Amino acid sequence: GAGVSQTPSNKVTEKGKYVELRCDPISGHTALYWYRQSLGQGPEFLIYFQGTGAADDSGLPNDRFFAVRPEGSVSTLKIQRTERGDSAVYLCASSNRDRSPNEQFFGPGTRLTVL
Amino acid sequence: AQKITQTQPGMFVQEKEAVTLDCTYDTSDQSYGLFWYKQPSSGEMIFLIYQGSYDEQNATEGRYSLNFQKARKSANLVISASQLGDSAMYFCAMREGPDFGNEKLTFGTGTRLTIIP
Repeated sequence: GAGVSQTPSNKVTEKGKYVELRCDPISGHTALYWYRQSLGQGPEFLIYFQGTGAADDSGLPNDRFFAVRPEGSVSTLKIQRTERGDSAVYLCASSNRDRSPNEQFFGPGTRLTVL
Repeated sequence: AQKITQTQPGMFVQEKEAVTLDCTYDTSDQSYGLFWYKQPSSGEMIFLIYQGSYDEQNATEGRYSLNFQKARKSANLVISASQLGDSAMYFCAMREGPDFGNEKLTFGTGTRLTIIP
């Protein structure tokens, strides 16, 4: 079946602009996660959704970052007033939480470059 | 303190040899889980193997095994009979708390493994 998909694969924007990154989870997966991976680092947790609600948003770095999942499927990560330090690969993952371990399936990521 | 430490930024291994990738972790939770992921140049994170803190036996999945030493807080990944396709970044990650509780994974900085023909 289809895996996690993310669009766009690459996004170049200018400092101060607004961007939206989209994640399509595996069909039927109730949980969705966003991570950010800076160059040379491991992924860092941003936010986790269970259904439509954000169950844990403790990783969002500041109030310029916001994510939604209005119908419990597709999620959008929104970044306002982008800064050069926001440049990274943004990874999305999903899981169905029906067996242990709760394996997270990752998408290919969106590479965001802020000029 | 770092929650996940991977001390080997890069490793070169001859094809068909076994390789051990190191991972140490730091947590005060009694219940936790340890994961290894592979990240090829395409960028996707591929789940390899899992070890729960209460699992008494070391996890194995095909050519992958996890050398879990709880007292030392280490969870090293062993790849037997390495193949050229094993060349990738490898990340160790931890979930603190029970499964289906805290969902957040904390990752290490990774080890870049290169298999030499």
